Parts: sequence; structure tokens; C-alpha cells
Amino acid sequence: EVQLVESGGGLVQPGGSLRVSCVASGFTFSNYYMSWVRQSPGRGLEWVANIKQDGSEKYYVDSVKGRFTISRDNATTSLSLEMNSLRADDTAVYYCARDGLGYSYGSFDYWGRGILVTVSS
Amino acid sequence: SYVMTQPPSVSVAPGKTAIITCGGDNIGSKSVHWYQQKAGQAPVQVIYYDSVRPSGIPERFSGSNSGNTATLTISRVEAGDEADYFCQVWDSTIDHPRVFGGGTKLTVL
Repeated sequence: EVQLVESGGGLVQPGGSLRVSCVASGFTFSNYYMSWVRQSPGRGLEWVANIKQDGSEKYYVDSVKGRFTISRDNATTSLSLEMNSLRADDTAVYYCARDGLGYSYGSFDYWGRGILVTVSS
Repeated sequence: SYVMTQPPSVSVAPGKTAIITCGGDNIGSKSVHWYQQKAGQAPVQVIYYDSVRPSGIPERFSGSNSGNTATLTISRVEAGDEADYFCQVWDSTIDHPRVFGGGTKLTVL
């Protein structure tokens, strides 16, 4: 059974930093692109970043470029998102998601339960 | 950036058919995926590549995509289908390759 379990969320002040992580199990982690997707009441679902199987390529939505860094460790089947210079509009539930393969490429075939990040003073 | 429009809400009686649309410029040329999100839960993929159901998704869920509209159809609607439904596209020709629609709240009357 595919499982994605996020951790590390919480309350952080504007301008601060936070790292969220995701541990994957139930599939061969190193075979898949992995993504972070966030959801907030005001902005709906928004893809944030993804990373290639070997970590050699990383892609970001424009609003987080230069502030967020996605990384992975295939040995420990973990995915991380380092978030710096956080702003109020980064407040959201952050989901770890597996990118699909083949005909489901470009979609997200499994999601974690999500972790809440709140940016507020 | 690419914009997709969904109706905010759709209501349907149990046993009837729900139709949820996702509009976008020439969306028929893109791959459309659909997700179901029940209250307090993570999204679950119910359709990918316009019309393919993942393993475990009931045959009552179907999808189509043509022209400027993609459609998710739920036949013989059940109370347990009440959820938010989101469309999503991937297209390498646009600058943000993964885009979501605003979501549609399906209410089962």
C-alpha cells in the first residue's frame, strides 16, 4: 500500500523558515518524480514544486522560486521542502504527492494527508 | 497562465447523474485529470488522461474532453460521492505545467 506521511508543519512568523518532510513507503520511491502541492482557502490547490527521480532536476511555481527548495533522499525514501522568507500567503496545507507515470504523467496518483503551515505574527 | 473554470457547486439527487465541467481554452488538446476531495481528507485521483479510471475507482465515474470543455460524469450518484472535485491539466507548452481548476462542490440532495 502506497503511503505518504508528512511532518514538520506549524506556526512561523513572516520572514521565517520552516522545513516540511514526507516519508514514502509501499512503492519504489526512486522510480518516481515527487511533488509538493498546497491548498489554501483563497488559492485552492496549487502545485508548488517537483523533483526528478535522481534529484537532478527541480521545478517550482513562480511564486516560490528563490525561497523554497525541494530535495529528496532515495536511501531513506524521503522528500523535503525547505521554505524560507515565508509570507502570509504561503499559509496552506502542504501535501506530498507522487507524480504519475505513463498515461498518468503530469498528474498526482497518490497524496499524503497533508500538513498545515501557518505564517502569522 | 492557463485558466480553468469550474462551476462552484453542483447538486444532484441520489441515483441521478452528476455532470461537472472544466472549461479552458482548447482544453481538448491537453491531458485532464480529476480528483475527489472529501471533507478533511486528501485528494484522491478518480480520472487521469481524460477518461481513464485508476484501479479501485467505480465504473460510475467517467471522463471526457473535447474542444474547450472537459467533463467528469458520475452516474447513479451515492451519498458517499459528496465531495469537492478538481480538474487538473499538464501541458509542457505552458509555463506552469501543472494547473488546477477552482473546484466544484458536489452536493447529494
